[in-house]
Amino acid sequence: AQRVTQPEKLLSVFKGAPVELKCNYSYSGSPELFWYVQYSRQRLQLLLRHISRESIKGFTADLNKGETSFHLKKPFAQEEDSAMYYCALLGSSNTGKLIFGQGTTLQVKP
Amino acid sequence: EPEVTQTPSHQVTQMGQEVILRCVPISNHLYFYWYRQILGQKVEFLVSFYNNEISEKSEIFDDQFSVERPDGSNFTLKIRSTKLEDSAMYFCASSWTGGEGGYTFGSGTRLTVV
Repeated sequence: AQRVTQPEKLLSVFKGAPVELKCNYSYSGSPELFWYVQYSRQRLQLLLRHISRESIKGFTADLNKGETSFHLKKPFAQEEDSAMYYCALLGSSNTGKLIFGQGTTLQVKP
Repeated sequence: EPEVTQTPSHQVTQMGQEVILRCVPISNHLYFYWYRQILGQKVEFLVSFYNNEISEKSEIFDDQFSVERPDGSNFTLKIRSTKLEDSAMYFCASSWTGGEGGYTFGSGTRLTVV
């Protein structure tokens, strides 16, 4: 089965602290994974995708096939990072379907 | 930056009524999608649409749901006879490729069935 798991509903950190939002997936073959972010009252926005190995707003995510993980990290959290973060897996059906995790709310306290 | 536009932002309807949710995808995108998010739950795939036909639909997308791209710009989701459990946020998305580059999402329509 193709599945994405985000084990934490809420992650609360202080400004300047490191952040790691966990994502695990279940997929046979080579997965294509994404992180989307939803700031308060705004639309879902693509944050990054693993194939481009980019860093956006200081966030990075590395695909670990051995642990089937794609955790999102940032060394120093900022208050403006407070948002809902979704990990998503591109389904294998070639239709572009995305399978989302439950989402993690990141709360960065001053 | 181009946007996916959804209207209305909030729709309240009586159970059993038909609703049409509208979306204007980004103009040169070829793939179109509807997702929904029931309050407190995860974002769930409903349907993907390419080349003027449904390319995949989920179990949620039963006979009461339909999609249409009537004029080459709008992309609509129709729910024929709404139920209370259809209350959710409905997101439209579009992409140039089949998702590999990621989507552009609309801001959503909050549907409340009473």
